[in-house]
Amino acid sequence: EPEVTQTPSHQVTQMGQEVILRCVPISNHLYFYWYRQILGQKVEFLVSFYNNEISEKSEIFDDQFSVERPDGSNFTLKIRSTKLEDSAMYFCASRKQGAANEKLFFGSGTQLSVL
Amino acid sequence: GESVGLHLPTLSVQEGDNSIINCAYSNSASDYFIWYKQESGKGPQFIIDIRSNMDKRQGQRVTVLLNKTVKHLSLQIAATQPGDSAVYFCAEAISSGSARQLTFGSGTQLTVLP
Repeated sequence: EPEVTQTPSHQVTQMGQEVILRCVPISNHLYFYWYRQILGQKVEFLVSFYNNEISEKSEIFDDQFSVERPDGSNFTLKIRSTKLEDSAMYFCASRKQGAANEKLFFGSGTQLSVL
Repeated sequence: GESVGLHLPTLSVQEGDNSIINCAYSNSASDYFIWYKQESGKGPQFIIDIRSNMDKRQGQRVTVLLNKTVKHLSLQIAATQPGDSAVYFCAEAISSGSARQLTFGSGTQLTVLP
């Protein structure tokens, strides 16, 4: 069964450093998302991406965050200058063309720890 | 603000028994609901969904019930197996809305006892 893959599974970084989280969405999917989950809290929406541009973003997704689809397969989330509060599990998700929110497929996540 | 919540943070059941996981939602505009399963170290996995024009939907060993009157959603798992042990999230959305309007609940940890 096709799946969304994310790398790395764990990332440890120093506060102020840049990190890039990588995702390979399912090949025939057109909509891509990043979510995060702080330990013990709910999954939160960060950003959605379609047709090579951001469709929507949450208040969390400030100027320190950016997304990119550098080629036909990868979808990346960059945090320019990490803060302690950026420590969380980051999930990439994708879906096919269709009604919004239907059947998102999630990756296994990248656990980001900012020290 | 409006939010999705779960009645029980943990649930333990004997293998072979049926499990019922509950969820309350408060956004009366929500018309689409999804249950996700999250195993340790993995991302949320879609289990089953239901639209507000239905009150029941069945999948393989799972049934989702929707009671719009009391804004309540439940997930029933028949003949619970050890592999069902995971955190279960409900999520609500407005189907005509945007991705940010998909709101997740806090999750219930289901533990299947041998």
